[in-house]
Amino acid sequence: TQLLEQSPQFLSIQEGENLTVYCNSSSVFSSLQWYRQEPGEGPVLLVTVVTGGEVKKLKRLTFQFGDARKDSSLHITAAQPGDTGLYLCAGHGSGNTGKLIFGQGTTLQVKP
Amino acid sequence: GAGVSQSPSNKVTEKGKDVELRCDPISGHTALYWYRQSLGQGLEFLIYFQGNSAPDKSGLPSDRFSAERTGGSVSTLTIQRTQQEDSAVYLCASSPNRVLYGYTFGSGTRLTVV
Repeated sequence: TQLLEQSPQFLSIQEGENLTVYCNSSSVFSSLQWYRQEPGEGPVLLVTVVTGGEVKKLKRLTFQFGDARKDSSLHITAAQPGDTGLYLCAGHGSGNTGKLIFGQGTTLQVKP
Repeated sequence: GAGVSQSPSNKVTEKGKDVELRCDPISGHTALYWYRQSLGQGLEFLIYFQGNSAPDKSGLPSDRFSAERTGGSVSTLTIQRTQQEDSAVYLCASSPNRVLYGYTFGSGTRLTVV
């Protein structure tokens, strides 16, 4: 069974601080995605990483895929209250069904 | 439509009743997924459709749960004889194809069994 473990589960920081969220597995994934979810809404795709060692930037967000394609990280620079939400990593499981396996999520609260 | 539409947005039902949850995917998206999310938690896979067929039903928790998709479009998730542990947000997502594309999610149906 392929599992994704996210850490930390909860993070409460002040505006302007930096943070990193980790997504780890013992299994290899063909790709990993990161989503952000706000209360009452479905998750929204932020990025897809495919190649081991790949780094992608989205404004103040930096995503990295591990060399062995078993882990990923999300780094936010100078967090803002608008970054508050639930961050989910997800990987495509084996079997080529397109089914995504989700981590438990990291709840981020950025205080003004 | 422009996005994935789910209805109802909220449903309160009595234990033992049957419920139907509907998902209208983005037009042209061949893949459709149902997930379940408990409060503040990650998403639990339920079932995947490619067109009208369901190659992967491995996440359905029990035989009280069933789903169908018609015309390669609308999908319905049915829960029979609801139990309190069925209370959760049920999310539907669609995708242009099976692999590597991101999902577009609906806003979900919040199901409360009392």
